[in-house]
Amino acid sequence: DQQVKQNSPSLSVQEGRISILNCDYTNSMFDYFLWYKKYPAEGPTFLISISSIKDKNEDGRFTVFLNKSAKHLSLHIVPSQPGDSAVYFCAASAEGGSEKLVFGKGTKLTVNP
Amino acid sequence: KAGVTQTPRYLIKTRGQQVTLSCSPISGHRSVSWYQQTPGQGLQFLFEYFSETQRNKGNFPGRFSGRQFSNSRSEMNVSTLELGDSALYLCASSFSAGGGDTQYFGPGTRLTVL
Repeated sequence: DQQVKQNSPSLSVQEGRISILNCDYTNSMFDYFLWYKKYPAEGPTFLISISSIKDKNEDGRFTVFLNKSAKHLSLHIVPSQPGDSAVYFCAASAEGGSEKLVFGKGTKLTVNP
Repeated sequence: KAGVTQTPRYLIKTRGQQVTLSCSPISGHRSVSWYQQTPGQGLQFLFEYFSETQRNKGNFPGRFSGRQFSNSRSEMNVSTLELGDSALYLCASSFSAGGGDTQYFGPGTRLTVL
């Protein structure tokens, strides 16, 4: 049973517009959430994180929103750039959890020039 | 500060063989975790080591094992390789053990089992 779900395998956006990537989780013990970006043949690169005590965290063009009651988080990229084209993974962890990080299966973002 | 390094980057083995992968964490990081990435399953947690002790283990058979040395470097071993073990193996390091800490990933080792 998937504890972290990214229901959109792919997303296509025009350059300059907003990209919104979504993630849902089922484990209410998760208290720390991260987004990673991955290019083919490379390891994931950390983008941004959020603790469960917050509902928003911003870093430059990237903003993560957390809705604990809905067990939902989203990553907003504004404005989107062609270099943002990659696979984005949502991940979650729980203090004392059995796994270090639980990942979603990823969303492939394509930003068209 | 140097990132996480993994060696080798690519490996080709045949069924039944064993393989050892190596990971050097970011300087000062004491936690090293290993993940397997396959097209169908995404990134799956293998195990975490902290201060030379395995803290957690994912749902993988006993053929997958690892260890950590006193300098925090880690190795992962897979014995009696199967075709399904073909994957990208990723190592990640963080300062502390457990959840609530950001992990930084290496470039991965691409293992192909023939």
